[in-house]
Amino acid sequence: EPEVTQTPSHQVTQMGQEVILRCVPISNHLYFYWYRQILGQKVEFLVSFYNNEISEKSEIFDDQFSVERPDGSNFTLKIRSTKLEDSAMYFCASRDRLAGSQETQYFGPGTRLLVL
Amino acid sequence: AQTVTQSQPEMSVQEAETVTLSCTYDTSENNYYLFWYKQPPSRQMILVIRQEAYKQQNATENRFSVNFQKAAKSFSLKISDSQLGDTAMYFCAFMNPGNQFYFGTGTSLTVIP
Repeated sequence: EPEVTQTPSHQVTQMGQEVILRCVPISNHLYFYWYRQILGQKVEFLVSFYNNEISEKSEIFDDQFSVERPDGSNFTLKIRSTKLEDSAMYFCASRDRLAGSQETQYFGPGTRLLVL
Repeated sequence: AQTVTQSQPEMSVQEAETVTLSCTYDTSENNYYLFWYKQPPSRQMILVIRQEAYKQQNATENRFSVNFQKAAKSFSLKISDSQLGDTAMYFCAFMNPGNQFYFGTGTSLTVIP
């Protein structure tokens, strides 16, 4: 069964450094999402992406964040200058547009980011 | 704004018994989707079951079923014949017509052997 994959599984970085989190969505999916989950808290929406542009973003997704689909398979989340409060699990998700299943997002395993 | 509330932070159930996890939500939308996701210790988010708001029939998926009460804005998950592998955090989620997801704070379920 196709899966969303994410790399790396864990990332440790110094405050102020740039990080890029990578995701490979399910191959025929067209809609892509990033979420984050601070330890012990709920999952929060960051951004959705369709047709090579951001379709929605939350207030969390400020100028420090950017997303990109550099090729036909990868979907990346970049944090330009990390802060301590960016430490969280980051989930990528994707969904297709097939009738009857297009509403369901499939999540990757997550990247655990720790900012020191 | 949409909100999703899970009022049970922790629950436990004996193996083979049935347990119900509650979820309520608040929205002014008429068409939307509801989901239950499972997050085991591996932290991956796994879809358990989904419900379209326009459908009156409650969704079922093997041992998992929902009790969807649209007027009450309630969406509870029933797990029958609980298994040890069901031990996980369970998140209720709401998706609006703009495809934005809102998650509840989760219920930690422990299945006791």
